[in-house]
Amino acid sequence: KAGVTQTPRYLIKTRGQQVTLSCSPISGHRSVSWYQQTPGQGLQFLFEYFSETQRNKGNFPGRFSGRQFSNSRSEMNVSTLELGDSALYLCASSPQGTRGGYTFGSGTRLTVV
Amino acid sequence: GQQLNQSPQSMFIQEGEDVSMNCTSSSIFNTWLWYKQDPGEGPVLLIALYKAGELTSNGRLTAQFGITRKDSFLNISASIPSDVGIYFCAGQIVGTGTASKLTFGTGTRLQVTL
Repeated sequence: KAGVTQTPRYLIKTRGQQVTLSCSPISGHRSVSWYQQTPGQGLQFLFEYFSETQRNKGNFPGRFSGRQFSNSRSEMNVSTLELGDSALYLCASSPQGTRGGYTFGSGTRLTVV
Repeated sequence: GQQLNQSPQSMFIQEGEDVSMNCTSSSIFNTWLWYKQDPGEGPVLLIALYKAGELTSNGRLTAQFGITRKDSFLNISASIPSDVGIYFCAGQIVGTGTASKLTFGTGTRLQVTL
């Protein structure tokens, strides 16, 4: 059974640019969540999607957005990149996203220069 | 954003020793999870706890859901070199039919010496 796949694994962008990260959940999983991991703030929840609808959102500025497609694949977008957006972005999938553990991908390491 | 308090922050132990770490919160959770993260990888679920007072084992790992629902504990017995990594607790509040985010702890970095 394939795990959660995130692409790309590494990305370098310049301040002011925008970036799109992709996540393919485990087959049959309908819930996809995104987390940002930094040394200073740790793992912070960005948002969660279920059946193409955003069900939950963390405390991040509007520059962070996401979407989910009908095949449950998800993308997150960060516009007008800032240096502080440098982080490991993790995607996690769950069958229903209601309770219990989520399966995480290996993440996308974003560096903003 | 909110992070749960984990202690210790880091620990060096010798192979074969037992390890204990804990996680505390100012809020109540109805699910506690423990994850391990290796360098360059995403967190991997070790144990899930769903009921206050619950004690659950997974091989050499044992975790407990605190009775106040504001804390959780993880023990690793007879540590081995591959136990090296960062251990995270995560709390979750789940209502009926609603989604919930995971609130993560600050992490405990474990290093095992031979």
